[in-house]
Amino acid sequence: AQSVTQLGSHVSVSEGALVLLRCNYSSSVPPYLFWYVQYPNQGLQLLLKYTSAATLVKGINGFEAEFKKSETSFHLTKPSAHMSDAAEYFCAVSTQGGSEKLVFGKGTKLTVNP
Amino acid sequence: GAGVSQSPSNKVTEKGKDVELRCDPISGHTALYWYRQSLGQGLEFLIYFQGNSAPDKSGLPSDRFSAERTGGSVSTLTIQRTQQEDSAVYLCASSSGRDSLRGQFFGPGTRLTVL
Repeated sequence: AQSVTQLGSHVSVSEGALVLLRCNYSSSVPPYLFWYVQYPNQGLQLLLKYTSAATLVKGINGFEAEFKKSETSFHLTKPSAHMSDAAEYFCAVSTQGGSEKLVFGKGTKLTVNP
Repeated sequence: GAGVSQSPSNKVTEKGKDVELRCDPISGHTALYWYRQSLGQGLEFLIYFQGNSAPDKSGLPSDRFSAERTGGSVSTLTIQRTQQEDSAVYLCASSSGRDSLRGQFFGPGTRLTVL
């Protein structure tokens, strides 16, 4: 069975600082990995996805994530935080066997301070 | 429509009542999912429909929960004899098929409050 662990339920950064949100996964088969963002009172929006084509994945809004098999990690980064990045971020892994159901981490709430 | 839509956006009900939540997926998407988001449990998978295949119901928490998808499009999630622990945001998502490469597109959710 797949699982996802997001380290840090809350992360606070200053505007312009590096954003690093951590995600570790467990999977018995090659995983598909995703990062979703949820703004207050809105649904989930796909930021980026790893599908084995390239280990460094670039997403929307300047975010990127690197798949590291040896570390079973898929951390999300952004070089310079913006106030509009304040949101909750979810890492997810998809299960195999013909089903795309997602297994989510608990989420990390990002606060950006001026 | 342009995205996944869900109705109602908010639902308040009394314990013991039945509720129905509706999801309209993106046109042409063959896969449809229901998830539940609650403070204590995070985001949990409930049920998955793919084309004409039998749905994957492995995430439904009890037999009070059921879902159907009519005509391969609109889906309804029904919760019978609601309990306070059913209070959560119910999210629907759709995708274009079995290929996980495309990701899932989520609706805004229905916030269910059971008094």
